[in-house]
Amino acid sequence: SAVISQKPSRDICQRGTSLTIQCQVDSQVTMMFWYRQQPGQSLTLIATANQGSEATYESGFVIDKFPISRPNLTFSTLTVSNMSPEDSSIYLCSVEGIQVGETQYFGPGTRLLVL
Amino acid sequence: GQQLNQSPQSMFIQEGEDVSMNCTSSSIFNTWLWYKQEPGEGPVLLIALYKAGELTSNGRLTAQFGITRKDSFLNISASIPSDVGIYFCAGDFNSGGSNYKLTFGKGTLLTVNP
Repeated sequence: SAVISQKPSRDICQRGTSLTIQCQVDSQVTMMFWYRQQPGQSLTLIATANQGSEATYESGFVIDKFPISRPNLTFSTLTVSNMSPEDSSIYLCSVEGIQVGETQYFGPGTRLLVL
Repeated sequence: GQQLNQSPQSMFIQEGEDVSMNCTSSSIFNTWLWYKQEPGEGPVLLIALYKAGELTSNGRLTAQFGITRKDSFLNISASIPSDVGIYFCAGDFNSGGSNYKLTFGKGTLLTVNP
């Protein structure tokens, strides 16, 4: 399985500001994903980060609020824009396994608190 | 959209007891996955199931992909305190390859009393 790191691991932000979260993988992967996990809740897919093209967003998530970059096969960023307290969540990146038939592995997450 | 019903929501057990949790779906899944999440960590993959009827073990953990492809269970035998965490089931509609899109259950919070 891939080793995935995220920065920052946690942050406290003021409403109206933006935070960019980085996800780094130790090997090249085709698919990278960003999830949100609200307090005490399950994981919800925000978008699929596509290398060389725009991200594919799930229903309820838009690019203006969650812009995503994927400059190469080992790195992606998610920005949470114009934050409000409702954005307080854990943000997780995941990658699809390298071999066909493998599944998703998750990073440690970024714990965001918006005041 | 697809929904997964995971039960129970929480379990409080004594060390040494066996645990069983399950997930059901209204739709057919091609892959069933079980993850464990500990406080301050991301979910860690425990078991992946790819075929209907498949029964797979990982140490004290056993999971099965239901024959109808609409359900899966996870059993933990002889629980120990480090089994504490939230267990999530997840399903995917793609038959392997790329473009996985996982749907997650709401999780089962497991507490083990030593």
